[in-house]
Amino acid sequence: DAKTTQPNSMESNEEEPVHLPCNHSTISGTDYIHWYRQLPSQGPEYVIHGLTSNVNNRMASLAIAEDRKSSTLILHRATLRDAAVYYCILRGGGTSYGKLTFGQGTILTVHP
Amino acid sequence: DAGITQSPRHKVTETGTPVTLRCHQTENHRYMYWYRQDPGHGLRLIHYSYGVKDTDKGEVSDGYSVSRSKTEDFLLTLESATSSQTSVYFCAISGRHIKGHDIKRDNEQFFGPGTRLTVL
Repeated sequence: DAKTTQPNSMESNEEEPVHLPCNHSTISGTDYIHWYRQLPSQGPEYVIHGLTSNVNNRMASLAIAEDRKSSTLILHRATLRDAAVYYCILRGGGTSYGKLTFGQGTILTVHP
Repeated sequence: DAGITQSPRHKVTETGTPVTLRCHQTENHRYMYWYRQDPGHGLRLIHYSYGVKDTDKGEVSDGYSVSRSKTEDFLLTLESATSSQTSVYFCAISGRHIKGHDIKRDNEQFFGPGTRLTVL
């Protein structure tokens, strides 16, 4: 499986934008880029996913590089509730049955 | 809320005893997964199911077995628990099936609240 590389930790101030980077230089043409986050003492929750084009939803935006070797999750205005571990995951297409391979993720700290 | 529950939520057991964890869903999702989460390892896939009675191994399947006799339930069994299986176990679901339509490209996995298992 293609792997992703994320910084171990990042910090932000409340109400400021946050850009969480992810490198995936060995991504294949059929791999989707997924982002999940895990709040303390909870299971992971889906944030956003994309294939080639940038994506927006109510939680965040996903900016995908033109060569698809990197992507950035953008939280437009961080809140204290956004403090979590953020996972960037590549999910294969076809018959992968949606299997996800989690890495270590980025621990996001949000300061009041 | 994707309607996924796990039981028990906490369990303490002794080495060598059998343990079964249950994942129950009410949303008619086709795919179900069991993960474990340990410090320094993130989440790792143990087993998954792509339909009733259809299961396959994940990354760390040794020492675990699963069964799925109906859509709603996915059971994870530790035949003889060991201390190395002390972990937090998460169930996940995806692929919501609506009668007459099979959503094959449902990209979102919904996770349960987790079961904390301690093997002494």
